[in-house]
Amino acid sequence: EAQVTQNPRYLITVTGKKLTVTCSQNMNHEYMSWYRQDPGLGLRQIYYSMNVEVTDKGDVPEGYKVSRKEKRNFPLILESPSPNQTSLYFCASSLAGTDTQYFGPGTRLTVL
Amino acid sequence: LAKTTQPISMDSYEGQEVNITCSHNNIATNDYITWYQQFPSQGPRFIIQGYKTKVTNEVASLFIPADRKSSTLSLPRVSLSDTAVYYCLVIPWDTGRRALTFGSGTRLQVQP
Repeated sequence: EAQVTQNPRYLITVTGKKLTVTCSQNMNHEYMSWYRQDPGLGLRQIYYSMNVEVTDKGDVPEGYKVSRKEKRNFPLILESPSPNQTSLYFCASSLAGTDTQYFGPGTRLTVL
Repeated sequence: LAKTTQPISMDSYEGQEVNITCSHNNIATNDYITWYQQFPSQGPRFIIQGYKTKVTNEVASLFIPADRKSSTLSLPRVSLSDTAVYYCLVIPWDTGRRALTFGSGTRLQVQP
């Protein structure tokens, strides 16, 4: 089944404790992206990647890192999480040259 | 990116046709109109995309008038499972970032 998977789905952590949220897609998509969704603010893009080893900042990249060492994986790294990063995170992927993005199920992160 | 305006919420009953209109007055020549659906605690899902006139798929129809300053998503004979948030997006065809700017969307509540 074609899908985007994220792990973990739920995470509660404390300020400053490094964490990684994984994202994987099995559709051989070139493009992958991370969004966060907050009440009243819609979805905002954090980082995106056009292909392996090619990443760039989105609208709200501060406090986040990403890497794209393999085509299928695009982990989101929070080196030192803070409470304002408490949010619902979505990973998405799409084929190059198309606008249809496929979203993962989301990761609900709480930073205490 | 063109700004979109859509109703905050709509109510309907099972079996009725629902039309959600989106206003995008400053749409550019190379912009496409795309609609996504999001269920609670899930990632958005692509529904339909169009440039002008009418597009229909197995899920919905999209009506775009000649001036393209608005578009209407039509859901035929809705069921309870169509209760979701519907987002209208205007996306430049040649966007390199593949960033999707989601607004607040239209929250559709379908009653039995």
